[in-house]
Amino acid sequence: GAVVSQHPSWVICKSGTSVKIECRSLDFQATTMFWYRQFPKQSLMLMATSNEGSKATYEQGVEKDKFLINHASLTLSTLTVTSAHPEDSSFYICSARAGTHTYEQYFGPGTRLTVT
Amino acid sequence: DAKTTQPPSMDCAEGRAANLPCNHSTISGNEYVYWYRQIHSQGPQYIIHGLKNNETNEMASLIITEDRKSSTLILPHATLRDTAVYYCIVRLPGSGSARQLTFGSGTQLTVLP
Repeated sequence: GAVVSQHPSWVICKSGTSVKIECRSLDFQATTMFWYRQFPKQSLMLMATSNEGSKATYEQGVEKDKFLINHASLTLSTLTVTSAHPEDSSFYICSARAGTHTYEQYFGPGTRLTVT
Repeated sequence: DAKTTQPPSMDCAEGRAANLPCNHSTISGNEYVYWYRQIHSQGPQYIIHGLKNNETNEMASLIITEDRKSSTLILPHATLRDTAVYYCIVRLPGSGSARQLTFGSGTQLTVLP
């Protein structure tokens, strides 16, 4: 089946620094990628939707200047958490949609971000 | 997308069938029922989906009531590795970016040895 990878799988950074998380579709072209955030013992919350070559659409309450999303190619999307703070510590998960089929949305393994 | 209601947690004995219910009483005629699961600290995994007919694949079976107001995911022979949070999601089809998945709180299934 389709595989989505994320890198890194976990990262620890200091408050005030920026962190970039990569999401790659390994064996298919992803026209749309989604970024989710999950706090402990909570469900996934959609942060933004990105289509290749266009600006991301952010969900209400998600700061677009803090969470920079780039979807420059059909196989790669990046999420950059700028000026990270401890409250940004979370599990970040991306998913990728392959095309027109209704269920073809594949999830990455997630990235655990800890801001100290 | 229609709202779903799931029990917060369930236990199941290893080797037995796990039956996970989901209520979606406000589902519309062209909304599909999807099931995903999330093992701890991993990304969600697609399990199965259906519109009105019962569906079966190598992972599970999906039983949708005739009025489509509820469904049941069946894991026929649960193993310890099936311990996860199971999400029932109802959504419209289509590939547009607006068709993102909205996750509720899900059901924590614990398979007991």
